Amino acid sequence: EAGVAQSPRYKIIEKRQSVAFWCNPISGHATLYWYQQILGQGPKLLIQFQNNGVVDDSQLPKDRFSAERLKGVDSTLKIQPAKLEDSAVYLCASSRDRGRLSEAFFGQGTRLTVV
Amino acid sequence: AQSVTQLGSHVSVSEGALVLLRCNYSSSVPPYLFWYVQYPNQGLQLLLKYTSAATLVKGINGFEAEFKKSETSFHLTKPSAHMSDAAEYFCAVSEGDTGRRALTFGSGTRLQVQP
Repeated sequence: EAGVAQSPRYKIIEKRQSVAFWCNPISGHATLYWYQQILGQGPKLLIQFQNNGVVDDSQLPKDRFSAERLKGVDSTLKIQPAKLEDSAVYLCASSRDRGRLSEAFFGQGTRLTVV
Repeated sequence: AQSVTQLGSHVSVSEGALVLLRCNYSSSVPPYLFWYVQYPNQGLQLLLKYTSAATLVKGINGFEAEFKKSETSFHLTKPSAHMSDAAEYFCAVSEGDTGRRALTFGSGTRLQVQP
């Protein structure tokens, strides 16, 4: 089966610009996650969707970050305006459901550099 | 609240030597525990998971981990390192009883394998 697809793979923008990342989860997976991975750190959850509803966005900086999952399939994560500290790899993951036995599959990520 | 501590940000072993990567967790409820591997410019791949069945868990590529409740540990081992094992390894915990299944990751351990 096809894996989690993310685009673009790399993005360089200037601070205060806006940027958007796209994620297509594995077909049939109800749960979708966005993680931020800063260099030298483990991934940190930004937002979790169940179908098209938000389950957890407690660590999402809502003044500049937004995410949506229309129709419960693809998802977009946006940053506006970007700051230097937003430089990171943004990982999308999906799982079949919310149960703890449901494995999360990760995409290759989008590496964002803010200059 | 759940958290994970990985001791040692870098571990170097010789090819054929024992690999031991340390992970300690904190959880208010019985946890589910995971080890993921990340190769350069790739997403995360699940190595193994503990889901309250057997305390010794076997994973892919010859890795295994033992859940020790008394020590709140879930260390990853492999009897004989191979050059292809060089990567970043992340320990993660999930509580999930509240319906929030997202993983909390440790900061990672980079494994180097010397010829």
